[in-house]
Amino acid sequence: DQQVKQNSPSLSVQEGRISILNCDYTNSMFDYFLWYKKYPAEGPTFLISISSIKDKNEDGRFTVFLNKSAKHLSLHIVPSQPGDSAVYFCAASPQDSNYQLIWGAGTKLIIKP
Amino acid sequence: ETGVTQTPRHLVMGMTNKKSLKCEQHLGHNAMYWYKQSAKKPLELMFVYNFKEQTENNSVPSRFSPECPNSSHLFLHLHTLQPEDSALYLCASSQQPGTVQPQHFGDGTRLSIL
Repeated sequence: DQQVKQNSPSLSVQEGRISILNCDYTNSMFDYFLWYKKYPAEGPTFLISISSIKDKNEDGRFTVFLNKSAKHLSLHIVPSQPGDSAVYFCAASPQDSNYQLIWGAGTKLIIKP
Repeated sequence: ETGVTQTPRHLVMGMTNKKSLKCEQHLGHNAMYWYKQSAKKPLELMFVYNFKEQTENNSVPSRFSPECPNSSHLFLHLHTLQPEDSALYLCASSQQPGTVQPQHFGDGTRLSIL
């Protein structure tokens, strides 16, 4: 049973518009959430993170929102650019583990010109 | 260039072969990780090393044997693998162990078992 779910395998967005990537989790004992981005034939790269004590974290065009009551996390990219086309992974850190990250299966974002 | 280099990038081997995957990080990090990514599935943590000492083994079959001779190098020795072991194997490192530390990934080794 997946504890971190990214229910949309893919998402297509017009260049310049907002991209919203979603992630749901089932374990209320996660204390940290991270987003990674992956281009084909490359490893994932860290994008942005958020602590469970916050509900928003912003870094340039990227903003992550955390809704603990809904156990829902979202990544907003605005404005979307062609270079944002990639697979985005959501990952969560359990409170009782120093090393384990629980990963979602990823959402492929396609930015259309 | 992420600072984490994995070789080879692609590997095809038979079930009776023995091979090794190599990972090297040039970031001065103290923690290194092996992950497995099967098609359409989430990343699965396999092993964690902190200052060359193994700190995590996520119930990985013994046909996968890690080795960490120093903080910059990590190996994954493979023997008598099964077809279901075909996957992308990713190495990562972080400054310190701990999940709040962003992990820097290599580009992976695409492994195919015949």
